[in-house]
Amino acid sequence: NAGVTQTPKFQVLKTGQSMTLQCAQDMNHNSMYWYRQDPGMGLRLIYYSASEGTTDKGEVPNGYNVSRLNKREFSLRLESAAPSQTSVYFCASSETETGHPQETQYFGPGTRLLVL
Amino acid sequence: QQQVKQSPQSLIVQKGGISIINCAYENTAFDYFPWYQQFPGKGPALLIAIRPDVSEKKEGRFTISFNKSAKQFSLHIMDSQPGDSATYFCAASINGSSNTGKLIFGQGTTLQVKP
Repeated sequence: NAGVTQTPKFQVLKTGQSMTLQCAQDMNHNSMYWYRQDPGMGLRLIYYSASEGTTDKGEVPNGYNVSRLNKREFSLRLESAAPSQTSVYFCASSETETGHPQETQYFGPGTRLLVL
Repeated sequence: QQQVKQSPQSLIVQKGGISIINCAYENTAFDYFPWYQQFPGKGPALLIAIRPDVSEKKEGRFTISFNKSAKQFSLHIMDSQPGDSATYFCAASINGSSNTGKLIFGQGTTLQVKP
């Protein structure tokens, strides 16, 4: 039982390049989330998926797109990377279903992204 | 806008001392307040959580104190140990049929417990 896994662990991009961050969970959770963590800013929600087939914007969605490929996988894509997107990205999942939101979120180990 | 404000940004405590981290929120609709603990190079993990129908929750050396009228809540770590050295995040969320578990996090507090 691996929990939440993320790939890659670390990536360096040049401005304008694109990349996809992968996330998978093996806990049969309905909801999945993408956060970014920046010093002094805490964790900020980029996008979330309440269930397979649905995605919604979070607090800081600009410059990102997501795909909920199936119940297990939720990817985050940067179409044209910018230095402001240098951050640590965390994927999380929870059992949450609409109407029962107060469930523990389980986080992956993170992806460190550096955009030059 | 920052709906959950956390302080201090960093904290140094001697082994055996009490660590106190404070959070304040603005949205009175928040009704779930978890604390997450993050070790270097790892993802955050749930430490303890409280709902506003109680004023205090204790789990081992960790206690959440909740003041609904002041819209504040705090984490107390009793008998702090070097293994408690980590970053701590408070968070808040809203229940309801349209909510899907979205958490609003505070800015984080880096705790160092000196031996």
